[in-house]
Amino acid sequence: NAGVTQTPKFRILKIGQSMTLQCTQDMNHNYMYWYRQDPGMGLKLIYYSVGAGITDKGEVPNGYNVSRSTTEDFPLRLELAAPSQTSVYFCASTQLHRDRGTDTQYFGPGTRLTVL
Amino acid sequence: KQEVTQIPAALSVPEGENLVLNCSFTDSAIYNLQWFRQDPGKGLTSLLLIQSSQREQTSGRLNASLDKSSGRSTLYIAASQPGDSATYLCAVVRQGGKLIFGQGTELSVKP
Repeated sequence: NAGVTQTPKFRILKIGQSMTLQCTQDMNHNYMYWYRQDPGMGLKLIYYSVGAGITDKGEVPNGYNVSRSTTEDFPLRLELAAPSQTSVYFCASTQLHRDRGTDTQYFGPGTRLTVL
Repeated sequence: KQEVTQIPAALSVPEGENLVLNCSFTDSAIYNLQWFRQDPGKGLTSLLLIQSSQREQTSGRLNASLDKSSGRSTLYIAASQPGDSATYLCAVVRQGGKLIFGQGTELSVKP
Protein backbone atom coordinates (compact mmCIF):
# COMPACT_ATOMS: atom_id res chain seq x y z
CA ASN A 1 0.00 0.00 0.00
CA ALA A 2 1.19 3.52 -0.80
CA GLY A 3 -0.89 4.95 2.08
CA VAL A 4 -1.50 8.69 1.72
CA THR A 5 0.21 10.41 -1.20
CA GLN A 6 0.42 14.15 -1.88
CA THR A 7 1.52 16.16 -4.90
CA PRO A 8 3.38 18.35 -5.47
CA LYS A 9 6.14 18.13 -2.83
CA PHE A 10 7.12 21.78 -3.26
CA ARG A 11 5.57 24.80 -4.94
CA ILE A 12 6.22 28.52 -5.16
CA LEU A 13 3.26 30.76 -6.02
CA LYS A 14 2.96 34.44 -6.69
CA ILE A 15 0.38 36.47 -4.79
CA GLY A 16 -3.03 36.10 -6.42
CA GLN A 17 -2.28 32.81 -8.20
CA SER A 18 -4.36 29.69 -7.65
CA MET A 19 -3.43 26.04 -7.29
CA THR A 20 -4.75 22.66 -6.23
CA LEU A 21 -2.95 20.39 -3.80
CA GLN A 22 -3.66 16.75 -4.54
CA CYS A 23 -4.21 14.01 -1.94
CA THR A 24 -4.96 10.35 -2.54
CA GLN A 25 -5.30 7.45 -0.12
CA ASP A 26 -5.50 3.76 -1.01
CA MET A 27 -6.70 2.41 2.36
CA ASN A 28 -10.42 2.86 1.62
CA HIS A 29 -10.70 5.24 4.59
CA ASN A 30 -13.94 7.16 4.91
CA TYR A 31 -12.51 10.19 6.76
CA MET A 32 -9.96 12.56 5.24
CA TYR A 33 -8.40 15.80 6.50
CA TRP A 34 -6.26 18.75 5.48
CA TYR A 35 -3.94 20.40 8.01
CA ARG A 36 -1.41 23.19 7.77
CA GLN A 37 1.75 23.50 9.83
CA ASP A 38 3.47 26.83 10.29
CA PRO A 39 7.14 26.95 11.44
CA GLY A 40 7.57 25.87 15.07
CA MET A 41 3.88 25.23 15.48
CA GLY A 42 1.56 22.28 15.73
CA LEU A 43 -0.87 21.45 12.95
CA LYS A 44 -4.21 23.20 12.44
CA LEU A 45 -7.21 21.66 10.69
CA ILE A 46 -8.34 23.39 7.48
CA TYR A 47 -11.12 21.14 6.15
CA TYR A 48 -12.26 17.58 6.58
CA SER A 49 -14.55 15.05 4.91
CA VAL A 50 -16.50 12.14 6.38
CA GLY A 51 -17.21 10.54 3.02
CA ALA A 52 -17.61 11.18 -0.69
CA GLY A 53 -19.70 14.30 -1.26
CA ILE A 54 -19.50 15.50 2.38
CA THR A 55 -17.06 18.17 3.55
CA ASP A 56 -16.91 20.58 6.47
CA LYS A 57 -14.76 23.42 7.79
CA GLY A 58 -12.03 23.06 10.38
CA GLU A 59 -10.27 25.74 12.46
CA VAL A 60 -8.69 27.74 9.61
CA PRO A 61 -10.78 27.36 6.40
CA ASN A 62 -10.56 30.91 5.02
CA GLY A 63 -8.91 31.10 1.62
CA TYR A 64 -9.34 27.40 0.86
CA ASN A 65 -11.88 25.09 -0.76
CA VAL A 66 -12.20 21.33 -0.95
CA SER A 67 -14.20 18.68 -2.74
CA ARG A 68 -14.58 14.94 -2.27
CA SER A 69 -16.00 13.25 -5.34
CA THR A 70 -14.45 9.83 -4.60
CA THR A 71 -13.40 7.91 -1.50
CA GLU A 72 -9.75 8.06 -2.55
CA ASP A 73 -9.22 11.72 -3.47
CA PHE A 74 -9.49 14.90 -1.42
CA PRO A 75 -7.98 17.91 -3.26
CA LEU A 76 -7.41 21.27 -1.56
CA ARG A 77 -7.86 24.40 -3.67
CA LEU A 78 -6.18 27.72 -2.94
CA GLU A 79 -7.76 30.70 -4.68
CA LEU A 80 -5.96 34.07 -4.75
CA ALA A 81 -2.87 32.92 -2.85
CA ALA A 82 -1.60 35.22 -0.07
CA PRO A 83 1.74 35.25 1.84
CA SER A 84 -0.17 34.12 4.95
CA GLN A 85 -0.77 30.80 3.18
CA THR A 86 2.94 30.01 3.13
CA SER A 87 3.04 26.78 5.10
CA VAL A 88 3.44 23.03 4.92
CA TYR A 89 0.21 21.25 4.08
CA PHE A 90 -0.54 17.74 5.25
CA CYS A 91 -3.33 15.44 4.15
CA ALA A 92 -4.46 12.61 6.45
CA SER A 93 -7.01 9.82 6.53
CA THR A 94 -8.59 7.41 8.97
CA GLN A 95 -11.45 4.97 9.30
CA LEU A 96 -14.45 5.45 11.57
CA HIS A 97 -15.63 2.35 13.43
CA ARG A 98 -19.09 2.41 14.99
CA ASP A 99 -17.90 0.62 18.13
CA ARG A 100 -14.61 2.41 18.88
CA GLY A 101 -14.56 5.70 17.02
CA THR A 102 -11.79 6.66 14.64
CA ASP A 103 -8.59 4.68 14.16
CA THR A 104 -5.03 5.88 13.90
CA GLN A 105 -4.76 8.84 11.56
CA TYR A 106 -2.27 8.37 8.70
CA PHE A 107 -0.47 11.34 7.19
CA GLY A 108 0.97 12.09 3.77
CA PRO A 109 4.52 13.48 3.33
CA GLY A 110 3.33 17.06 2.96
CA THR A 111 3.43 19.86 0.38
CA ARG A 112 5.72 22.79 1.14
CA LEU A 113 4.12 25.96 -0.29
CA THR A 114 5.69 29.40 -0.49
CA VAL A 115 3.69 32.44 -1.61
CA LEU A 116 5.80 35.42 -2.70
CA LYS B 1 -12.06 25.81 23.37
CA GLN B 2 -9.73 22.84 23.54
CA GLU B 3 -6.08 23.75 24.02
CA VAL B 4 -3.20 21.30 24.00
CA THR B 5 0.14 22.13 25.62
CA GLN B 6 3.38 20.20 25.48
CA ILE B 7 6.20 20.64 27.97
CA PRO B 8 9.11 20.97 27.53
CA ALA B 9 9.40 22.60 24.11
CA ALA B 10 12.87 21.13 23.69
CA LEU B 11 14.84 18.45 25.48
CA SER B 12 18.42 17.21 25.15
CA VAL B 13 19.51 14.00 26.85
CA PRO B 14 22.47 11.61 26.69
CA GLU B 15 22.00 8.27 25.00
CA GLY B 16 20.58 5.55 27.25
CA GLU B 17 18.55 7.86 29.46
CA ASN B 18 14.87 7.22 30.17
CA LEU B 19 12.70 10.28 29.54
CA VAL B 20 9.14 11.57 29.81
CA LEU B 21 7.35 13.95 27.49
CA ASN B 22 4.27 15.73 28.80
CA CYS B 23 1.01 16.71 27.13
CA SER B 24 -1.90 18.51 28.81
CA PHE B 25 -5.33 19.42 27.46
CA THR B 26 -8.02 21.73 28.80
CA ASP B 27 -11.21 19.84 27.86
CA SER B 28 -11.56 16.24 29.03
CA ALA B 29 -14.30 15.53 26.43
CA ILE B 30 -11.96 13.73 24.06
CA TYR B 31 -12.45 10.52 22.13
CA ASN B 32 -8.85 9.38 21.90
CA LEU B 33 -5.31 10.74 22.13
CA GLN B 34 -2.58 10.11 19.62
CA TRP B 35 1.20 10.57 19.80
CA PHE B 36 3.20 11.25 16.63
CA ARG B 37 6.82 11.55 15.65
CA GLN B 38 7.98 14.09 13.04
CA ASP B 39 11.48 14.07 11.55
CA PRO B 40 12.77 17.36 10.06
CA GLY B 41 11.15 18.13 6.72
CA LYS B 42 9.02 14.97 6.89
CA GLY B 43 5.44 13.99 7.55
CA LEU B 44 3.99 12.61 10.77
CA THR B 45 4.39 9.00 11.87
CA SER B 46 1.87 7.64 14.35
CA LEU B 47 3.45 6.15 17.46
CA LEU B 48 0.56 5.28 19.76
CA LEU B 49 -3.21 5.75 19.86
CA ILE B 50 -4.87 5.60 23.28
CA GLN B 51 -8.63 5.07 23.30
CA SER B 52 -10.49 7.24 25.83
CA SER B 53 -11.42 4.12 27.82
CA GLN B 54 -7.78 3.05 28.14
CA ARG B 55 -5.16 4.32 30.57
CA GLU B 56 -2.04 3.35 28.66
CA GLN B 57 -0.58 1.83 25.50
CA THR B 58 2.82 0.30 24.91
CA SER B 59 4.88 -0.26 21.78
CA GLY B 60 8.45 -1.45 22.18
CA ARG B 61 10.40 1.14 24.21
CA LEU B 62 7.44 3.55 24.18
CA ASN B 63 4.68 3.78 26.75
CA ALA B 64 1.93 6.37 26.66
CA SER B 65 -0.49 7.03 29.49
CA LEU B 66 -3.77 8.94 29.56
CA ASP B 67 -5.57 10.53 32.52
CA LYS B 68 -8.68 12.21 31.14
CA SER B 69 -9.87 13.55 34.49
CA SER B 70 -6.69 15.57 35.00
CA GLY B 71 -6.25 16.38 31.30
CA ARG B 72 -2.82 14.81 31.00
CA SER B 73 -0.90 12.34 28.88
CA THR B 74 2.73 11.29 29.08
CA LEU B 75 5.00 9.56 26.59
CA TYR B 76 7.73 7.52 28.25
CA ILE B 77 10.76 6.56 26.15
CA ALA B 78 13.04 3.94 27.66
CA ALA B 79 16.75 3.65 26.94
CA SER B 80 16.81 6.53 24.48
CA GLN B 81 18.89 6.27 21.28
CA PRO B 82 20.22 8.91 18.85
CA GLY B 83 17.67 7.62 16.33
CA ASP B 84 14.90 8.80 18.67
CA SER B 85 15.87 12.42 17.92
CA ALA B 86 12.80 14.08 16.39
CA THR B 87 9.85 16.28 17.29
CA TYR B 88 7.11 14.51 19.22
CA LEU B 89 3.55 15.77 18.85
CA CYS B 90 0.51 14.85 20.87
CA ALA B 91 -3.01 15.38 19.55
CA VAL B 92 -6.39 14.95 21.19
CA VAL B 93 -9.03 13.35 19.00
CA ARG B 94 -12.39 15.09 18.94
CA GLN B 95 -15.67 14.07 17.37
CA GLY B 96 -15.27 13.17 13.72
CA GLY B 97 -11.63 12.28 14.23
CA LYS B 98 -10.57 15.92 14.22
CA LEU B 99 -7.15 16.35 15.80
CA ILE B 100 -6.12 19.25 18.03
CA PHE B 101 -2.33 19.34 18.22
CA GLY B 102 0.15 20.57 20.75
CA GLN B 103 3.17 22.50 19.54
CA GLY B 104 5.51 19.57 20.02
CA THR B 105 8.62 18.68 22.00
CA GLU B 106 11.89 18.67 20.06
CA LEU B 107 14.02 15.82 21.39
CA SER B 108 17.76 15.48 20.85
CA VAL B 109 19.54 12.35 22.05
CA LYS B 110 23.32 12.77 22.15
CA PRO B 111 25.62 9.78 21.52
